[in-house]
Amino acid sequence: GIQVEQSPPDLILQEGANSTLRCNFSDSVNNLQWFHQNPWGQLINLFYIPSGTKQNGRLSATTVATERYSLLYISSSQTTDSGVYFCAPLNQAGTALIFGKGTTLSVSS
Amino acid sequence: GAVVSQHPSRVICKSGTSVKIECRSLDFQATTMFWYRQFPKQSLMLMATSNEGSKATYEQGVEKDKFLINHASLTLSTLTVTSAHPEDSSFYICSAIIVPMLGHGSYNSPLHFGNGTRLTVT
Repeated sequence: GIQVEQSPPDLILQEGANSTLRCNFSDSVNNLQWFHQNPWGQLINLFYIPSGTKQNGRLSATTVATERYSLLYISSSQTTDSGVYFCAPLNQAGTALIFGKGTTLSVSS
Repeated sequence: GAVVSQHPSRVICKSGTSVKIECRSLDFQATTMFWYRQFPKQSLMLMATSNEGSKATYEQGVEKDKFLINHASLTLSTLTVTSAHPEDSSFYICSAIIVPMLGHGSYNSPLHFGNGTRLTVT
């Protein structure tokens, strides 16, 4: 099956810093989603991005499907950005069969 | 607002008892729902796919007799952990692919998650 690798596994930032999270996947996918899991366990949809670039406030994501990777950019990080960021390739049915292991982000003030 | 509602958010039960977790889609039809399990500091693992009106499809290694899934309506799927043991303690999360009902708008991302249920078996 498809393999998903996320990097870095852990990231510690000062408030205001920028960061880039990466998601590599081993096979072609129909779509890809980025999620943020907050310290209470809630999963928040960030982006649904099969290809190209999308922006939402301080966050943006780029997926290069032909090269099988996606990037999540966080600019001017805030303490509320702390948590775990997962990427999940989706199949044609929209199922996330596998999640990456996540990047744990800690932002301190 | 929330698209998928999961209940309860937290449950503590004694070993040997059964626990039911509900996952509801709000204002949307969810013909397909998914159940995930997450151990501490680990990623989500897909347990099963729940289809309205038919039997659930379980992933390899997931015991279907232990994790009973029922998807009796377009808005409700339930996961029952039967004869729970301490090793079943985990965070269980449901998700749904949403098909908008007429007049209720649409969402860009098809996979929406409930807030999870933290199960502790003593």
